[in-house]
Amino acid sequence: QVQLVQSGAEVKQPGASVKVSCKASGYTFTNYYIHWVRQAPGQGPEWMGIFYPSGGAMSYAQRFQGRVTMTRDTSTSTAYMELSSLKSEDSAVYYCAREPPDSLYFDYWGQGSLVTVSS
Amino acid sequence: EIVLTQSPGTLSLSPGERASLSCRASQSVSSSSLVWYQQKPGQAPRLLIYGTSSRATGIPDRFSGSGSGTDFSLSISRLEPEDFAVYYCQQYVNSGYTFGQGTKLEIK
Repeated sequence: QVQLVQSGAEVKQPGASVKVSCKASGYTFTNYYIHWVRQAPGQGPEWMGIFYPSGGAMSYAQRFQGRVTMTRDTSTSTAYMELSSLKSEDSAVYYCAREPPDSLYFDYWGQGSLVTVSS
Repeated sequence: EIVLTQSPGTLSLSPGERASLSCRASQSVSSSSLVWYQQKPGQAPRLLIYGTSSRATGIPDRFSGSGSGTDFSLSISRLEPEDFAVYYCQQYVNSGYTFGQGTKLEIK
């Protein structure tokens, strides 16, 4: 069955970086897009960007440009999202989600990774 | 950026009743890109409806979606206890996705 398993919770200081992983199984990793979405407590989800595992291309939401980097390791079917220059407002649950190519919806989601930014 | 406004913020109903949730866009949205998710506490969102009205795999037929342009809706015909959750709409335009702020469906 399709699974996206994410790395565990992290606590970071302001100004630091965090790298979240998302290991895919149950399907061909390079045949589907991976999105990263975050959700602050009590808020709606916020889209951060899309990564195309087959070729390694990506597109980031404008508000995260310059701070976010999305990568992958095809040998382990794992996607990564690194967010730098962390601020307290970046405290949220970060999700990876799968999109069937050009479908415009996310059919499977990871369990989420809680990132807390605090001094 | 297109803003999605969901209403009501909270909807209090009893099992067996019908629920109607609204999602209004700040400008016209392609029907192919309007999606609904359900989220329960401590869980990731779950895909319910895509392309405005197509049910995702395994979603019961009591869930239905409709709309066009700037006004979209999600209906649940007969509420079951497991339907009480938060519902989000989502859209795609110009290389970006946005979500609504959610409607909480609670037991009356």
